[in-house]
Amino acid sequence: GAVVSQHPSRVICKSGTSVKIECRSLDFQATTMFWYRQFPKQSLMLMATSNEGSKATYEQGVEKDKFLINHASLTLSTLTVTSAHPEDSSFYICSASLNRDYGYTFGSGTRLTVV
Amino acid sequence: AQSVSQHNHHVILSEAASLELGCNYSYGGTVNLFWYVQYPGQHLQLLLKYFSGDPLVKGIKGFEAEFIKSKFSFNLRKPSVQWSDTAEYFCAVSGGATNKLIFGTGTLLAVQP
Repeated sequence: GAVVSQHPSRVICKSGTSVKIECRSLDFQATTMFWYRQFPKQSLMLMATSNEGSKATYEQGVEKDKFLINHASLTLSTLTVTSAHPEDSSFYICSASLNRDYGYTFGSGTRLTVV
Repeated sequence: AQSVSQHNHHVILSEAASLELGCNYSYGGTVNLFWYVQYPGQHLQLLLKYFSGDPLVKGIKGFEAEFIKSKFSFNLRKPSVQWSDTAEYFCAVSGGATNKLIFGTGTLLAVQP
């Protein structure tokens, strides 16, 4: 079955530094990848949609300059949290889709803690 | 833009009780509908999905859901829950040109032995 690999699974960084999270589709080409954020005991909030070779589309209220998304190939999308602050601490999850009939495959998530 | 609402935020049941979790969506076009489960400390797992065809969809672990287009609903059901069904359940909908998947707020199910 379709597999999405997300790394790292956990990261702790100092306030003011940047963190990059990778999302790879291992056995299929993902034309679209999605990035979500999940706060404790809450739902997944869509942050942005990225299509290979084009700029990401951000949801309302998500700072595009803080959360940089790159989707340079059909198998890799990255989310960089720039100048991280403690309030950016959260669980970040990526999802990949080949097309609308294929469904969605989720990564295992990244627990970001900013200290 | 599509949206999803789940009316039950917390549900507590005894083992062997029947389960129905409500999910309503808002979108004027063709939608795909999903139910995901998140067990404590674990990651999202797909329970079932509806793309087209038979509106009664059967998923894993004895779950099923019925798509009622006239009611914009996709309720999740299980005839007899087990303690191991304790988890959070998310309804999600995708549609439109962007194909983005939007989640409901989730329902936390606690099954008492």
